[in-house]
Amino acid sequence: EDQVTQSPEALRLQEGESSSLNCSYTVSGLRGLFWYRQDPGKGPEFLFTLYSAGEEKEKERLKATLTKKESFLHITAPKPEDSATYLCAAYNFNKFYFGSGTKLNVKP
Amino acid sequence: DAMVIQNPRYQVTQFGKPVTLSCSQTLNHNVMYWYQQKSSQAPKLLFHYYDKDFNNEADTPDNFQSRRPNTSFCFLDIRSPGLGDAAMYLCATSAMSGHGYEQYFGPGTRLTVT
Repeated sequence: EDQVTQSPEALRLQEGESSSLNCSYTVSGLRGLFWYRQDPGKGPEFLFTLYSAGEEKEKERLKATLTKKESFLHITAPKPEDSATYLCAAYNFNKFYFGSGTKLNVKP
Repeated sequence: DAMVIQNPRYQVTQFGKPVTLSCSQTLNHNVMYWYQQKSSQAPKLLFHYYDKDFNNEADTPDNFQSRRPNTSFCFLDIRSPGLGDAAMYLCATSAMSGHGYEQYFGPGTRLTVT
């Protein structure tokens, strides 16, 4: 069954405490793996697309990586404004499969 | 700025009273999607349009309908809203060209059913 699983469901970090969010996928014929940021009451905001294993993308304190089974979103020295829910989605030319997200809370 | 716009941002309707949500885009993307998202859950795809071709998800209730009169606009009609239809409704677009599969989302419409 094609599906995407994210862990942990929730993550609390102190400001400056680096960590990683995990997105495991079992989607056949993967054509792209996407990361989104979603703030409360708003639509998801596109962050990254990864297309093949070994690919990495960076934006400010965020770095996304992809293997054949999972993707990681690394957050380096997070700030309180990084607090949000981070969603990943896998696409296989048939449909997008979303995970339930990781709710990140960064405390000052 | 090119964007996806949803109106209204908040909608309150009565049980059983039809409601229409709208989405417009200035990205000129050929694919438009409607998702339903409930608290702390993944967005659930209701249907999508690839150009004018309508694609309904198998588990989307018949109560939900959609129209896409032109490339820029798409509507979600809920014919007889129930309490279980209270949710955030998200519209998204995608170019579906070459490597450009990523979706761009609007701000969402929060639907309350009383």
